[in-house]
Amino acid sequence: DTEVTQTPKHLVMGMTNKKSLKCEQHMGHRAMYWYKQKAKKPPELMFVYSYEKLSINESVPSRFSPECPNSSLLNLHLHALQPEDSALYLCASSQDERGGQPQHFGDGTRLSIL
Amino acid sequence: AQKVTQAQTEISVVEKEDVTLDCVYETRDTTYYLFWYKQPPSGELVFLIRRNSFDEQNEISGRYSWNFQKSTSSFNFTITASQVVDSAVYFCALSDLYAGGTSYGKLTFGQGTILTVHP
Repeated sequence: DTEVTQTPKHLVMGMTNKKSLKCEQHMGHRAMYWYKQKAKKPPELMFVYSYEKLSINESVPSRFSPECPNSSLLNLHLHALQPEDSALYLCASSQDERGGQPQHFGDGTRLSIL
Repeated sequence: AQKVTQAQTEISVVEKEDVTLDCVYETRDTTYYLFWYKQPPSGELVFLIRRNSFDEQNEISGRYSWNFQKSTSSFNFTITASQVVDSAVYFCALSDLYAGGTSYGKLTFGQGTILTVHP
């Protein structure tokens, strides 16, 4: 079983909806990540949180809004998404954000935008 | 700039065959880390191994083995006696210690190799 839990596993939403993806880890990791993965492509980094503060934003459109309420939780708020945003969204965590730390991934949320 | 190349897009083998997945990387850094991840159809990326640039010792873990050759900038992954459960997408990735003056080392992924093991 994965140590990073993501909910929901599947999400279908319209372009005007507002929804949130949730990620939780209890490994005591202090860095958490959001990735977007299109079919047959590698994951693309979206955001990095380090010690509950946003550390990296890879020029992600504002319709994606991350939030880190505490060291174990990471949310991704979605609003006014486009069909091209349909993808697998992966959450990951690592001991800290230093390079070389293995990242541990959740199962992902498969998002479909109608 | 960092780059990871996995030249094999798809590999198909029959169970019990040995299979090697190739990974070639480019980086200007002297200190860096290499990773292999497995992504089964369920979607989760499973961490398999990390190797730092100063440790060229090959590693074996059960049916898995990794060959790191700094001279050719390669970090190849071999599965011995493949099984159907090995069917997945395998990603090789590279990370340095520092990026842009921050302590964050971004993971640069290869395009992945789809491995299908037939019974």
